[in-house]
Amino acid sequence: GESVGLHLPTLSVQEGDNSIINCAYSNSASDYFIWYKQESGKGPQFIIDIRSNMDKRQGQRVTVLLNKTVKHLSLQIAATQPGDSAVYFCAENEVEGQNFVFGPGTRLSVLP
Amino acid sequence: DTAVSQTPKYLVTQMGNDKSIKCEQNLGHDTMYWYKQDSKKFLKIMFSYNNKELIINETVPNRFSPKSPDKAHLNLHINSLELGDSAVYFCASSQGAPVWSPLHFGNGTRLTVT
Repeated sequence: GESVGLHLPTLSVQEGDNSIINCAYSNSASDYFIWYKQESGKGPQFIIDIRSNMDKRQGQRVTVLLNKTVKHLSLQIAATQPGDSAVYFCAENEVEGQNFVFGPGTRLSVLP
Repeated sequence: DTAVSQTPKYLVTQMGNDKSIKCEQNLGHDTMYWYKQDSKKFLKIMFSYNNKELIINETVPNRFSPKSPDKAHLNLHINSLELGDSAVYFCASSQGAPVWSPLHFGNGTRLTVT
């Protein structure tokens, strides 16, 4: 849905700590989910994806968890670094519209 | 090599003008998209297009029209620009349904309407 009136949520973490960014998705029929990272002045960049036949997937320093029962997605970043500071978006495929629907985003700030 | 490239990066224009944003992808993807990102960073689909079908978000004014000369290009034309059109516009591409793959985005075009 629209994010009218909403401020971008912010998560602040200390460098070296783990970060967890959460996302609630809307459509129980969605079967493919993606996390994106957007740095200032750039387009969203792919981080990791997961299909609905899985509940966990790991990449380099990142893990995505999918809970279909409550329609919840999370991104875990291990040993957060200053370069991880960005806005993070979850996205779900919208089968009928043949496109991706994005969540409102979370700004991650890494403190020294 | 840039996978998805869009031009211009910045576009400043006056109300009532007509403008175009170009997008090209060299990934061989069959589906291209235009997204609008507002000042609150919300990304909203405007169009998705493959060589078979154009799907339009019904909330997009008909002043906006995508034009695809070939599979690798999807340009965005905007007529009679309004102040509310100011935003960052992103082009993206992917292998669409039935086997979904991640969207690859360009770096955006910041449109400012004065």
